[in-house]
Amino acid sequence: AQRVTQPEKLLSVFKGAPVELKCNYSYSGSPELFWYVQYSRQRLQLLLRHISRESIKGFTADLNKGETSFHLKKPFAQEEDSAMYYCALTDNTDKLIFGTGTRLQVFP
Amino acid sequence: NAGVTQTPKFRVLKTGQSMTLLCAQDMNHEYMYWYRQDPGMGLRLIHYSVGEGTTAKGEVPDGYNVSRLKKQNFLLGLESAAPSQTSVYFCASSYEGYRSSYNEQFFGPGTRLTVL
Repeated sequence: AQRVTQPEKLLSVFKGAPVELKCNYSYSGSPELFWYVQYSRQRLQLLLRHISRESIKGFTADLNKGETSFHLKKPFAQEEDSAMYYCALTDNTDKLIFGTGTRLQVFP
Repeated sequence: NAGVTQTPKFRVLKTGQSMTLLCAQDMNHEYMYWYRQDPGMGLRLIHYSVGEGTTAKGEVPDGYNVSRLKKQNFLLGLESAAPSQTSVYFCASSYEGYRSSYNEQFFGPGTRLTVL
């Protein structure tokens, strides 16, 4: 069965430090991967998707099919990046499968 | 343009009571979804709909029913609430589904349900 694993429940860094939120998936086919983010008192929203290959708010994520990973990276964390981050996968259906989420705390 | 709205925001039920959660979207989206969010478990799909009059089961459908009589509304029903259904429920919608450039899901603010 398809699965998305986010091994870290909480990641704490200082402002200006690099950030990497890990995401691994299990799926035998060709998945579509996403990162969704939920800032405090805001709705869950799309941050980026792998097919777009773009940088959003300084974040990037590269799909590594060999390692079945889709880690989210940012070279210099900002306090406003503090949020809950969810990695998600869609297979050959209309369903989105979410990981358990990682809370990023960026300290000043 | 309100996006995705959910009614109610909070609700407390007693075991065995029934209730309906309403999700409405004004973006003319075809696809609508109901998720539950529990600590340490992320979001899990309960039911979804790929168009007016259609529904399909997600990952955790037991104990829930849904209806999509109008394109803009997606109702989630609990016929006999149980404490295990205490959760935060999120509705989402998207213009298209799988493998589409327009499959971004837009989420509602959530409904916090407690079953005593």
